[in-house]
Formats: sequence, C-alpha cells, structure tokens
Amino acid sequence: KQEVTQIPAALSVPEGENLVLNCSFTDSAIYNLQWFRQDPGKGLTSLLLIQSSQREQTSGRLNASLDKSSGRSTLYIAASQPGDSATYLCAVENLGSNYQLIWGAGTKLIIKP
Amino acid sequence: EPEVTQTPSHQVTQMGQEVILRCVPISNHLYFYWYRQILGQKVEFLVSFYNNEISEKSEIFDDQFSVERPDGSNFTLKIRSTKLEDSAMYFCASRRAVNSPLHFGNGTRLTVT
Repeated sequence: KQEVTQIPAALSVPEGENLVLNCSFTDSAIYNLQWFRQDPGKGLTSLLLIQSSQREQTSGRLNASLDKSSGRSTLYIAASQPGDSATYLCAVENLGSNYQLIWGAGTKLIIKP
Repeated sequence: EPEVTQTPSHQVTQMGQEVILRCVPISNHLYFYWYRQILGQKVEFLVSFYNNEISEKSEIFDDQFSVERPDGSNFTLKIRSTKLEDSAMYFCASRRAVNSPLHFGNGTRLTVT
C-alpha cells in the first residue's frame, strides 16, 4: 500500500532564503507526482506535476525533482517571499489506481519578513 | 482562468440529515473527483467519476454517499444521513485528461452537529 511522507511537518525561514521541501513514497510504481499549495481555509492549488518519466519540472521560482527509484521528490523554492507561506502537499498517483491521489500530510511553511 | 467552483462554502447540518454538496467543474474537463480532509488530517480520496459513471471509490465512500452529474455542468456529492465523523472539508476536483494537473475548488466545510 502506497504511503507518502513529508518532512519536515513545519518550517520557518527568513524571507529571501532558498529552501527545500521533501516528499517520499514507498511504492515506486507511480504514474505521476504532484505538488500542491494549500492556503488556510482555501482549496488546493496545483503547482507542478512530474510525470514518472521526468526528472524535474520548473515553474518560476519553483523546481520539483523526482527520483522514482529512491521514492523521493523535492520542491525547491528560490528567493522565498512572505506570500509563499502556506502548506505544501505532495501527492502521488499510482499505476493501476484508477487515478486516485495518495497524499502526504504536508509541510507548513512560514516565511518571516 | 477557468476554475472549479463549489457551493456552499460552509454547511452546518444536524446528524441524520441529508446534505448535497455542489460543484461546477471546468467546462472541458472529463474526469471528476471528490476528496475530503478532516481537520488536521491528510486529504483522502472519496470517488472518481468519468463518462457518467463512478470509476473508483474508496472504503470511505459507503452506501450513504452518492454522486451525480445531473446536467452538463454540475457534479454533486450527496450524503444521505450525516454522522458527526462526516465533518470535514470536502473538495471537488476535475481535470481534462489522465496525467494532467488536477484543479480543485475552494471546498465546502461541512459541520455536523
């Protein structure tokens, strides 16, 4: 059974720093991995989707990498801003799962001005 | 940019009552989902819907739950007889194709008293 873990559970850094959020999964037979952002009381915003055949995806200051064989993904945020404060979730879509996502518990990120 | 819309944003109901949560997916999307998130816990898959039928459902999605796409735009989740443990944020999501990013609504916060 696929398990998704995110470390750390919470992270607080000063504005301007580069940072890395981690996601690990137990079953490497995945279709894709997605990173989402969740603001308090709000929905889930898709940030990046990495196909199983890809190694990384970039969008603006965000870069997500995928190492399927080791069951790991990282989300790199460059030059962090207070507006980046949110909970970041990763989710994997298993092969043969009929497209349901298995979610991590998230990393709550606080960027201090 | 088109978005998934959910109504109501907050629903309070008494135990044993029926509730209907409504969603309008993005118009050219073909795959529809309901997820829920109990406060402080991981996001959980409930059901996926494609081609006017359920393609997969989780163990949570028991006989008290049903989904419907009554017309070309709405996608509803009905809970027939609510329990206290149904209190959660319910998210609707849609996507254009398999392996494309999921787009989520802002959620309906259901409180069962």
